[in-house]
Amino acid sequence: GENVEQHPSTLSVQEGDSAVIKCTYSDSASNYFPWYKQELGKRPQLIIDIRSNVGEKKDQRIAVTLNKTAKHFSLHITETQPEDSAVYFCAARGAGGSGNTGKLIFGQGTTLQVKP
Amino acid sequence: GAVVSQHPSWVICKSGTSVKIECRSLDFQATTMFWYRQFPKQSLMLMATSNEGSKATYEQGVEKDKFLINHASLTLSTLTVTSAHPEDSSFYICSASPYNEQFFGPGTRLTVL
Repeated sequence: GENVEQHPSTLSVQEGDSAVIKCTYSDSASNYFPWYKQELGKRPQLIIDIRSNVGEKKDQRIAVTLNKTAKHFSLHITETQPEDSAVYFCAARGAGGSGNTGKLIFGQGTTLQVKP
Repeated sequence: GAVVSQHPSWVICKSGTSVKIECRSLDFQATTMFWYRQFPKQSLMLMATSNEGSKATYEQGVEKDKFLINHASLTLSTLTVTSAHPEDSSFYICSASPYNEQFFGPGTRLTVL
């Protein structure tokens, strides 16, 4: 089955700096790669996602890149702010499910701390 | 976006008792829902895929007789933790997907004394 590795486990940056989180996946048939932000005790919130037919996607300060050949994808946050501090998870949707009902496999998570 | 609810938001029970958690899709029909468990400072671990009208598919290592899943309608899936023990204390989250994006419920904090 699908396996997702995420690095780093913790990341500390100064306000205004950029943050990059990287993930690798194992199933070359995976076709959907979302990123979630989770605050303590709350549900994961989707911040950006990318499908396998796209190499890069950007939404204001957040961007995701996908390299299908290398089977890795990355989250880029620019101009970080203290409110960006949270745990971030990458995920990959394996090919086992059909259409939009395939299961998500999560990376281990990255705790991002943005220092004012 | 689509809305997924869970009930209860938290529950405390005694060891050996059973606890039922409900997951509802409020504004869409979900033939498939997913149940995750999250221990403190860890990732979301997929427990099972809940299929409307058929048996759930459990991930390797998850005891199907301990974590009973029922998906009796297109908007409701339930997870029953049977004979709960302290090691079952965790944050249980469900999700469902009306299209590409998956929407998560708010989670249920289970504490077993």
